[in-house]
Amino acid sequence: GDSVTQMEGPVTLSEEAFLTINCTYTATGYPSLFWYVQYPGEGLQLLLKATKADDKGSNKGFEATYRKETTSFHLEKGSVQVSDSAVYFCALSDQTGGSYIPTFGRGTSLIVHP
Amino acid sequence: AAGVIQSPRHLIKEKRETATLKCYPIPRHDTVYWYQQGPGQDPQFLISFYEKMQSDKGSIPDRFSAQQFSDYHSELNMSSLELGDSALYFCASSFSDRGLGTEAFFGQGTRLTVV
Repeated sequence: GDSVTQMEGPVTLSEEAFLTINCTYTATGYPSLFWYVQYPGEGLQLLLKATKADDKGSNKGFEATYRKETTSFHLEKGSVQVSDSAVYFCALSDQTGGSYIPTFGRGTSLIVHP
Repeated sequence: AAGVIQSPRHLIKEKRETATLKCYPIPRHDTVYWYQQGPGQDPQFLISFYEKMQSDKGSIPDRFSAQQFSDYHSELNMSSLELGDSALYFCASSFSDRGLGTEAFFGQGTRLTVV
């Protein structure tokens, strides 16, 4: 079945540091890929997405490129802020039985220090 | 803009009791998903509904059941609660006609604690 593998956290960075959170996937079809962010005590919010190979999703300074050849969708940000501290989930959505059920990775906690 | 509403936000139950969680999807969304997220875990898919009919089933225990009503709100019923059922339960909704790439919009979750 489909699965998503993320790097384990927590990732601890100083403000303005460069961020990379690795994500690879396994899918039977041609999935769409997503990054969701979960702030403390809140639900999952969509951060960015990509629907086909070589697409780049971007939002709030975060970027991720759909790499079909390496089945990866790594999240990057050039300069993190304290307010970026949250848990980040990589996810894919693939057609299963006619519907598109999001499958999540285990999440990577990001802690940004001032 | 309207979001997915879940109630209650927090629930404390004793072992062997029953709990009911409610979800109100975004208006005009036709698909609802339920997820369970244990401490430090990824959200695990439980069950989904499309146009009020069950469409897919994940790792939902037999003690749990769910339904979607005519007004599109959904309820997750959990019986004979166990300590291991303590988790954050998320509901999400989406509009299926947009096909691949349609994101699911999540509610803030219900934190269930079984004591």
